[in-house]
Amino acid sequence: EVQLVESGGGLVQPGRSLRLSCAASGFTLDDYAIHWVRQAPGKGLEWVSGISWNRRSIGYADSVKGRFTISRDNTKNSLYLQMNGLRAEDTALYYCAKGTIYDILDYWGQGTLVTVSS
Amino acid sequence: DIVMTQSPDSLAVPLGERATIHCKSSQSVLYSSNNKNYLAWFQQRPGQPPKLLIYWASTRESGVPDRFSGSGSGTDFTLTISSLQAEDVAVYYCQQYYSTPYTFGQGTKLEIK
Repeated sequence: EVQLVESGGGLVQPGRSLRLSCAASGFTLDDYAIHWVRQAPGKGLEWVSGISWNRRSIGYADSVKGRFTISRDNTKNSLYLQMNGLRAEDTALYYCAKGTIYDILDYWGQGTLVTVSS
Repeated sequence: DIVMTQSPDSLAVPLGERATIHCKSSQSVLYSSNNKNYLAWFQQRPGQPPKLLIYWASTRESGVPDRFSGSGSGTDFTLTISSLQAEDVAVYYCQQYYSTPYTFGQGTKLEIK
């Protein structure tokens, strides 16, 4: 069974950093792209970042470019999102999602909540 | 960036009736080399992560009931639920995966009338 489990969320002050993790199981992480999608409280979905299976293709939303860094460690079946310079508007539930070869997001985790507030 | 616009924002339909949600992209998401529309539909029930329903605009994901169907091409797409069931109450999103940043529609909240 495919499972994605996010962790690392919490309450953080504006300007500080946080590192999210996504642990994958039930499939070979090496073969798939993984994406981060966030959802602010009561709002819609926003694609944040994605990384291809071989790390050659990485993309970011304009709203996080230069502040967030996505990475992966296939040997640990894990994906990461390093978030620096956090702002109040980054407050959201962050989901990791598995992407097919065409980046169709076919499996999602339950999400980890990030709250940026002083 | 490709802007995805859904209509309506909310919809109330009687049980057993048809529900139709529209999605329009600001530019075509049809890739000419393979003639595929890079358009997906997701269902998000309260308190749950999104669930993939439809991809390539009209291909139903495994396990999705056949009352769900997708249609359209280029810039205009439709998600249809042929006979609304109570468990279909959710917010529905379209999403393009044609080019990054991959973008979602604002969502359509579907309720029972």
